[in-house]
Amino acid sequence: DAKTTQPPSMDCAEGRAANLPCNHSTISGNEYVYWYRQIHSQGPQYIIHGLKNNETNEMASLIITEDRKSSTLILPHATLRDTAVYYCIVRGSNTDKLIFGTGTRLQVFP
Amino acid sequence: NAGVTQTPKFRILKIGQSMTLQCTQDMNHNYMYWYRQDPGMGLKLIYYSVGAGITDKGEVPNGYNVSRSTTEDFPLRLELAAPSQTSVYFCASSYRTVMNTEAFFGQGTRLTVV
Repeated sequence: DAKTTQPPSMDCAEGRAANLPCNHSTISGNEYVYWYRQIHSQGPQYIIHGLKNNETNEMASLIITEDRKSSTLILPHATLRDTAVYYCIVRGSNTDKLIFGTGTRLQVFP
Repeated sequence: NAGVTQTPKFRILKIGQSMTLQCTQDMNHNYMYWYRQDPGMGLKLIYYSVGAGITDKGEVPNGYNVSRSTTEDFPLRLELAAPSQTSVYFCASSYRTVMNTEAFFGQGTRLTVV
């Protein structure tokens, strides 16, 4: 599986968009980009995933660059409850393991 | 659906003791995983299973054993507990298809070895 690189921490003002970047320059054609988050010490929660098209759901949007070497998770109107560690994971469709990196710690402030 | 249920939520073990962390899911998922998370760190994969009767090692399997006799249950066994196994343990499951492998996590078991 391709490795990912994320900034260790980010801040965002409440009500503003939070844009979390992820670099996955060695991604291969059959690998998906997944985002999970972990609030405090709870179990991680799935957010969104995509292959090459941009994706949107009720929680967030995922923008994947045309060359697929990087992506951005967008939380359109961050709230204090979005304070969490966000994990970007690249996983092949034929890969059984689900491996987490170190993630980005997002702090949303009032 | 209860989702992924882990028991116990908390446990204190003495060095050298053994215990089994229980994980059960009611979503008929074929894939199940065990992770550990040390304070301030990310999740590390211990073992995983792609179906009943099939298990495989993850990133940090030493000191642990697993079994998968049913689709629903995936217990994690610690033999001869050591202080280095003090951690929060998470179990997860997913219904693996080509298109979507969203994983659902339990709420964790906080284990302290003293």
